[in-house]
Amino acid sequence: EAGVTQFPSHSVIEKGQTVTLRCDPISGHDNLYWYRRVMGKEIKFLLHFVKESKQDESGMPNNRFLAERTGGTYSTLKVQPAELEDSGVYFCASSQVGGTGDPGELFFGEGSRLTVL
Amino acid sequence: AQSVAQPEDQVNVAEGNPLTVKCTYSVSGNPYLFWYVQYPNRGLQFLLKYITGDNLVKGSYGFEAEFNKSQTSFHLKKPSALVSDSALYFCAVRATYSGAGSYQLTFGKGTKLSVIP
Repeated sequence: EAGVTQFPSHSVIEKGQTVTLRCDPISGHDNLYWYRRVMGKEIKFLLHFVKESKQDESGMPNNRFLAERTGGTYSTLKVQPAELEDSGVYFCASSQVGGTGDPGELFFGEGSRLTVL
Repeated sequence: AQSVAQPEDQVNVAEGNPLTVKCTYSVSGNPYLFWYVQYPNRGLQFLLKYITGDNLVKGSYGFEAEFNKSQTSFHLKKPSALVSDSALYFCAVRATYSGAGSYQLTFGKGTKLSVIP
């Protein structure tokens, strides 16, 4: 079974440019999450999809970030325009809904490293 | 707001010795607690989780963790460390209530474990 895949693995862009990160979750996983880790700091929640709907986007830093999940399958995270502080590793994760009282576990991709110069 | 503290940035242990990676948490109500491991250039991999019940949780690769409610801790342990255990370890907490934000995982900063041959 294929795991969570993310593309690109590394992107280097100039400040002010646009970048789009893509995530393909494990087939059949309704829940899709985006997290970000800035160098040396905690991994921070960005947002949560259930199928194609945004369940929780409280972690999105500002309106320069736009996430979509087409047809409840893959997801994209666009940063436009990128700023220096957006540099970091962006992780995507997916999960099944656990049983009653079981939160399940997240399956993470390898991350997309974004460097904004 | 929920939070996780991993007080040690790095833990060094000799191969064959027991290892402990510390984690304390803060959350409203009862927690779901998780440990994830990240090997170099890989995504986070699930190790184990605490939902309810037995305070000692056993997980992958011989790891276990002990939930201590009074100390709000969830330390990761292994009786005999292997060189291959060298990696970055993340503790995470999730609230057990249902509602807005309840699916968010809050991570610690991570602890780098180095097992010395």
